[in-house]
Amino acid sequence: QKEVEQNSGPLSVPEGAIASLNCTYSDRGSQSFFWYRQYSGKSPELIMSIYSNGDKEDGRFTAQLNKASQYVSLLIRDSQPSDSATYLCAVQNWDNFNKFYFGSGTKLNVKP
Amino acid sequence: DAGVTQSPTHLIKTRGQQVTLRCSPKSGHDTVSWYQQALGQGPQFIFQYYEEEERQRGNFPDRFSGHQFPNYSSELNVNALLLGDSALYLCASSLKGTTNEKLFFGSGTQLSVL
Repeated sequence: QKEVEQNSGPLSVPEGAIASLNCTYSDRGSQSFFWYRQYSGKSPELIMSIYSNGDKEDGRFTAQLNKASQYVSLLIRDSQPSDSATYLCAVQNWDNFNKFYFGSGTKLNVKP
Repeated sequence: DAGVTQSPTHLIKTRGQQVTLRCSPKSGHDTVSWYQQALGQGPQFIFQYYEEEERQRGNFPDRFSGHQFPNYSSELNVNALLLGDSALYLCASSLKGTTNEKLFFGSGTQLSVL
């Protein structure tokens, strides 16, 4: 079992719609959770971090965390073609020397 | 504020050769982690350097080695290159000792092994 699981996609949404990206993780000791955006041929860019259960909003992005279900999600409102990228979920365990685990990413296509 | 810088950006090698990749962390960061990202995959953890020592290691053979210098910069060395080593190699820096430690990535080195 992989530490972090994501649907590889592609997830296709029309411009202006809400894109919903999901991630599950296996290590119950994980305390920090991150979403990275990676454009083709580029390096990952941190877009959201969340540490406690519930929702965290930043502009058009909302991260949701449910530790009991070991589930993290990212909502992108008013999706734009420029949001088309691969979104990587990462989890971190402070008790394991802050080790980060990455999912394989979900490819998002926003169609004009 | 300089971000994470990596060199070179692209590299072509042949099987059996050796390669050295370099990374300078973001200003104020003291920890460097190296990742290998194959096409269509997420980053795979190679190892992490902190206080000039390898602190953690992923599931990579001893052909992969590294070093961290007193100025926190780091090198990744790969010996006896295999075709399967072709990938994007990412360096990420962070500040150790914070529970909100975050990784910031460099632009990567694209390694092609022929």
